[in-house]
Amino acid sequence: EIVLTQSPATLSLSPGERATLSCRASQSVSNFLVWYQQKPGQAPRLLIFDASNRATGIPARFSGSGSGTDFTLTISSLEPEDFGVYYCQQWSNWYTFGQGTKLEIK
Amino acid sequence: EVQLVQSGAEVKKPGESLKVSCKASGYTFSNYWIGWVRQMPGKGLEWMGIIYPGDSETRYSPAFQGQVTMSADKSISTAYLQWSSLKASDTAMYYCTRLGNGYFYWGQGTQVTVSS
Repeated sequence: EIVLTQSPATLSLSPGERATLSCRASQSVSNFLVWYQQKPGQAPRLLIFDASNRATGIPARFSGSGSGTDFTLTISSLEPEDFGVYYCQQWSNWYTFGQGTKLEIK
Repeated sequence: EVQLVQSGAEVKKPGESLKVSCKASGYTFSNYWIGWVRQMPGKGLEWMGIIYPGDSETRYSPAFQGQVTMSADKSISTAYLQWSSLKASDTAMYYCTRLGNGYFYWGQGTQVTVSS
């Protein structure tokens, strides 16, 4: 099973700051990786697919990068609505999720 | 527009059976795998398994093999997740998701609560 490790577990930032979230795979997943945002009581929302492509309707401040085993989700300038839990997920070999990074207001 | 609409919240007792649904629209249901994901209270996302509605081929994650059954009815574009005997530890939110070329669409989730 491919294990995805996200870091940090919690990120405390202020609106306007830049957020950098990491996802590391235990073996190569090529670019078969997606990122989600989840808010309390809501389903996960697809942000990035194929490691670097924004999903429909996702603002340009969200960007994804990486391939192989190391991936990054960057939010260039945080808006108040960006706070929540972020998950990465791979679909290269079955499907697994990272444990999540909680992005909270500082 | 792809949409997945799941059935409503359920409250059940241990040992009871349950079948929750996920109705798809906006695409050809038979042609895309549907996955099911569990989220226990306050926890992360866990992949349970997938089903291909075209021929009902199913694949389960090891942790869920034998614990749940996935099925699909092409005639009404609906996928199902069922339990024959619920346990308190099945209390969770359950999501269906449509797979396809790395772009995942999600249902709104079904809350299942199992309590005596």
